[in-house]
Amino acid sequence: DAGVIQSPRHEVTEMGQEVTLRCKPISGHNSLFWYRQTMMRGLELLIYFNNNVPIDDSGMPEDRFSAKMPNASFSTLKIQPSEPRDSAVYFCASSFRDRENFGPGTRLLVL
Amino acid sequence: KQEVTQIPAALSVPEGENLVLNCSFTDSAIYNLQWFRQDPGKGLTSLLLIQSSQREQTSGRLNASLDKSSGRSTLYIAASQPGDSATYLCAVRGTYKYIFGTGTRLKVLA
Repeated sequence: DAGVIQSPRHEVTEMGQEVTLRCKPISGHNSLFWYRQTMMRGLELLIYFNNNVPIDDSGMPEDRFSAKMPNASFSTLKIQPSEPRDSAVYFCASSFRDRENFGPGTRLLVL
Repeated sequence: KQEVTQIPAALSVPEGENLVLNCSFTDSAIYNLQWFRQDPGKGLTSLLLIQSSQREQTSGRLNASLDKSSGRSTLYIAASQPGDSATYLCAVRGTYKYIFGTGTRLKVLA
């Protein structure tokens, strides 16, 4: 198994641009999580999907952030418009039952 | 609101030492606790998962204990090696989501 796949691995963009992060979970996993990691705030849960349905999006910082999971094998996290304070590493993780498997992350820099 | 604290924030030890990393949490009503390892620029790798009904889990040189009543977990690393150098994160799960500690940055010197 290839594990959780995220793309792109690195993204540099200018303030105001739209950013789309992509995630392919492990086949058979029914839960998917998007996290953001920064030095200041550590690892924070943004949104959680179960069976493709968003269950908890209370961690999404503001309306500029949106996430979708159109099917069991794909999810996106979109930031529109992006701001410098969105610069962070964004992780996608999937799980079946308890153990979460993390992707390698997308390192986002908004100038 | 669950809060997870890890002490120390950073640790530097000579190779071969046995060491203990600490994790404390404020709400004892947890479902399970996981210890993760994160290498620089990489994602998280799950090391050990302890269910709320368990007291400890072992994998190779790693041993994790859980004391729910006192809100504590420890990760014991035996005979540390330079390859153990990484950040170790503790995460506590309530219903479905994990709350992460800020991690302990470990450096094992050759």
